[in-house]
Amino acid sequence: GAVVSQHPSRVICKSGTSVKIECRSLDFQATTMFWYRQFPKQSLMLMATSNEGSKATYEQGVEKDKFLINHASLTLSTLTVTSAHPEDSSFYICSAERTGYEQYFGPGTRLTVT
Amino acid sequence: AQRVTQPEKLLSVFKGAPVELKCNYSYSGSPELFWYVQYSRQRLQLLLRHISRESIKGFTADLNKGETSFHLKKPFAQEEDSAMYYCALRNTGFQKLVFGTGTRLLVSP
Repeated sequence: GAVVSQHPSRVICKSGTSVKIECRSLDFQATTMFWYRQFPKQSLMLMATSNEGSKATYEQGVEKDKFLINHASLTLSTLTVTSAHPEDSSFYICSAERTGYEQYFGPGTRLTVT
Repeated sequence: AQRVTQPEKLLSVFKGAPVELKCNYSYSGSPELFWYVQYSRQRLQLLLRHISRESIKGFTADLNKGETSFHLKKPFAQEEDSAMYYCALRNTGFQKLVFGTGTRLLVSP
C-alpha cells in the first residue's frame, strides 16, 4: 500500500507554454503533499507544501505565481509550471504524507523546456 | 537554520566490506532523522528513521546528539545495496523534510 503516482513521467514543452503535473495518492488519503525539484546529481529541494483545501506554502525563493499548486482533494495535487522557460527544466518529485506515517514519494516527472 | 550534510558524494566498497555513510546535521531543536534510499530507476523510499531504532536490510543508524550525527552502517555490504542514499531531517511536530545532498554507494563484487 501507500503508492503515489505522478503524471506525466516525462514532458517536453515549448518555452512560454504552461505544463501541469499531477500527483495522486492511490490507496490512501493525503492531507498534505509536497513538491520537490531535483537538479542533476543534486539533492531534493522542497518547493512547496500543499494542504488539501488551503493555499500552498512556498519555500523561500520559489515563485508562487510561476509554480501554481492546487490540492483540491485528499488524493490529488497538481503543479502547474506557467510560462515555462529552459531554466525550469528539471526533475519534479511529489510526495504525500499519510497522517501519522512517513512521506511516500512519487516516481518523478522529467520536464524539458525547449 | 536546519541543515543536513553528507560529506561523501560517492562511497565505493567491495562486497562483504563494512559500510558507513556519514550524515551530520545542524539544528537547535529536537529533530527527527531519516535515511532514504533510491535504487536505480526507482523512486525514493524510506529506509529507516531514528525513532523506530530498527534494522532494515541490515542497516542501522544511531542518532548521536552530542556529535549531531546520524551515520548509516551495515557490517557486510551486498551488491544490491548499491543505490543513492539521502539523509533527511524533520523538525519534530512539523512535516517538512530537509535532505542532504546524498551519497552514492557502489558495492562491487
